[in-house]
Amino acid sequence: AQSVTQPDIHITVSEGASLELRCNYSYGATPYLFWYVQSPGQGLQLLLKYFSGDTLVQGIKGFEAEFKRSQSSFNLRKPSVHWSDAAEYFCAVGARGATNKLIFGTGTLLAVQP
Amino acid sequence: ETGVTQSPTHLIKTRGQQVTLRCSSQSGHNTVSWYQQALGQGPQFIFQYYREEENGRGNFPPRFSGLQFPNYSSELNVNALELDDSALYLCASSLGDWQTQYFGPGTRLLVL
Repeated sequence: AQSVTQPDIHITVSEGASLELRCNYSYGATPYLFWYVQSPGQGLQLLLKYFSGDTLVQGIKGFEAEFKRSQSSFNLRKPSVHWSDAAEYFCAVGARGATNKLIFGTGTLLAVQP
Repeated sequence: ETGVTQSPTHLIKTRGQQVTLRCSSQSGHNTVSWYQQALGQGPQFIFQYYREEENGRGNFPPRFSGLQFPNYSSELNVNALELDDSALYLCASSLGDWQTQYFGPGTRLLVL
């Protein structure tokens, strides 16, 4: 069965510092991979997705993620964090050939210090 | 272009009651998925509707049911509410399988 692990429940970074959020998945083949962000009172917004091709994916708001098959990872990075990036971040996987069913991790709550 | 909207925003019910949540998909989107997000958890897939037919279901009991209408809007119905049904219910619309899903702001349900 597919599963997603986000090992960090809560992360605090200083504004301007770099960020890396970890995501590991379990799936028999190469899955579809996603990162979503959820701000309080708002729905989920897609940051980026990986289906195939270049393993380094660029997204919105200056985020990028790298698919590493050997490590079953899809970590999210940003070189310089802004206070507005404070939110909860979810990694998700989907099964090729299936419906839009996304399996989400439990999320990482990002706090940004001034 | 309007985004995905959900109603109501908040709802309080008592155990054993029934509830209907509504979702208006983004214009032209023919696929709607529903998710349940318990406090402190990631969203869990309930089911998906495509052109008025259910075409995928997660690990939820039959008391969770849905409908999709010809205009692609959708309803989620939950019968015999239990305390554990308290959660944020999210719907997402897309133009088909594995096209970008756009999520609504959710309906927060509290079961007492």
